[in-house]
Amino acid sequence: ETGVTQTPRHLVMGMTNKKSLKCEQHLGHNAMYWYKQSAKKPLELMFVYNFKEQTENNSVPSRFSPECPNSSHLFLHLHTLQPEDSALYLCASSQDPWGGETQYFGPGTRLLVL
Amino acid sequence: AQKITQTQPGMFVQEKEAVTLDCTYDTSDQSYGLFWYKQPSSGEMIFLIYQGSYDEQNATEGRYSLNFQKARKSANLVISASQLGDSAMYFCAMSPFSSGSARQLTFGSGTQLTVLP
Repeated sequence: ETGVTQTPRHLVMGMTNKKSLKCEQHLGHNAMYWYKQSAKKPLELMFVYNFKEQTENNSVPSRFSPECPNSSHLFLHLHTLQPEDSALYLCASSQDPWGGETQYFGPGTRLLVL
Repeated sequence: AQKITQTQPGMFVQEKEAVTLDCTYDTSDQSYGLFWYKQPSSGEMIFLIYQGSYDEQNATEGRYSLNFQKARKSANLVISASQLGDSAMYFCAMSPFSSGSARQLTFGSGTQLTVLP
C-alpha cells in the first residue's frame, strides 16, 4: 500500500448505529487530518493530530470522536449521527502540521446516514 | 482569517488546448503556501502543485503551472494541452506559515473542469 488509504470507501448507517472510519498513511508523516466535504460546500477541517496528539478541533459535534493510536493510523468513531452528517469524509497527512506543508489525501469514505 | 475565491463554478475546454482556472485569496499573513488539488468523481483529492509566497518564480509541474501574482493575491492554475482525464473538480487552497489554528488549509469552492473531445 502506498500513500493514504481509507476504509470503508462507502458506508450506509442508521442514526442509532455506531461505526468507525479508518485511515492509514504510509508516507512517514507526523500529522493527520479529518475533513468533511458536503455537497456544494468547501472542505471543512474537523480534526488535526500531530504526533498522536490532537491539536485542532473545529467545533465538531461530540457524535464524531477521533482516535489516533500512532502517527500512521487515524480513526473517526461515529455514533447517533444525523442525516445532515451524510458527506464525503477525507483523511489527509502531512510531514508536520505547520502551515505551508503539503497535505496528501486518501480516497475518502462516502457516508450516508438514513 | 483566510479566504479563497474561485469564481468559475464550471469551465469547458477543448482537448489539447490550454485552460486557466482562477483563484484569488485574502490573507493578512506575510508568509503562506498556495496549493491546487484535483478531485475526480471518485472522490480522492490529488495534490497538483505548490507555490510559496516568497518564491520568486512561478511553480511548474509537468503540464501544470501556477500563475502567481502576489500583489493581486491571485494564484491561477494553467493546464496546458488538456486531456480527457483532466475532467474533474479543481480546488485552490492556502495555508499560512503562522502558528495556531490559522495554520489550517483553507479551500475554495472549486471549479468543475470538463474537457471536450
